[in-house]
Amino acid sequence: DIQMTQSPSSMSVSLGDTVTITCRASQDVGIYVNWFQQKPGKSPRRMIYRATNLADGVPSRFSGSRSGSDYSLTISSLESEDVADYHCLQYDEYPRTFGGGTKLELK
Amino acid sequence: EVQLQQSGAELVRPGTSVKLSCKVSGDTITAYYMHFVKQRPGQGLEWIGRIDPEDDSTKYAEKFKNKATLTADTSSNTAYLKLSSLTSEDTATYFCTTSGTTDYWGQGVMVTVSS
Repeated sequence: DIQMTQSPSSMSVSLGDTVTITCRASQDVGIYVNWFQQKPGKSPRRMIYRATNLADGVPSRFSGSRSGSDYSLTISSLESEDVADYHCLQYDEYPRTFGGGTKLELK
Repeated sequence: EVQLQQSGAELVRPGTSVKLSCKVSGDTITAYYMHFVKQRPGQGLEWIGRIDPEDDSTKYAEKFKNKATLTADTSSNTAYLKLSSLTSEDTATYFCTTSGTTDYWGQGVMVTVSS
């Protein structure tokens, strides 16, 4: 199975920060990585699809990038509504696999 | 608007089985692969498997092959996840979701395994 190693597992952040979360794939998954935001008690919401594409309705301060087997989610000028858990997912092959998740907490 | 409506919370005994439903409204279920995802309290997301309601073909993560069974009923536009031989390790929230250009998620259903 493809491993998605996500870092950091948690991050203490301040409003206005630029935040970057990374997932490293254990083998080539091409562009087939999604990023999800999840708030407590809620279902995940897709923020980025195919590594770099902004999902409908997602603010432009969110962006996705790829460098080799490293996939990153960046939030520019963090707002309070962005404090949440974030998960990456590879869907290049089965079984689909998620990263371990990143919890953003306000300082 | 496509919506996925999942069945209600379950409290079940160890060793028993439970069948969770996920009803699609706003479109035909055969337009999507239906996936199920597990989330234990305070933990990350785990992909369980997916079913293609068009032909009932399935894919499972290895660890769920003897635990989970996915089925679909096109007449009721509903996908099902059956979990068997339940233990405390199965206590979790289970989500259904579609894959495709737009992904949709159910609200999640909490399953508590306790005697």
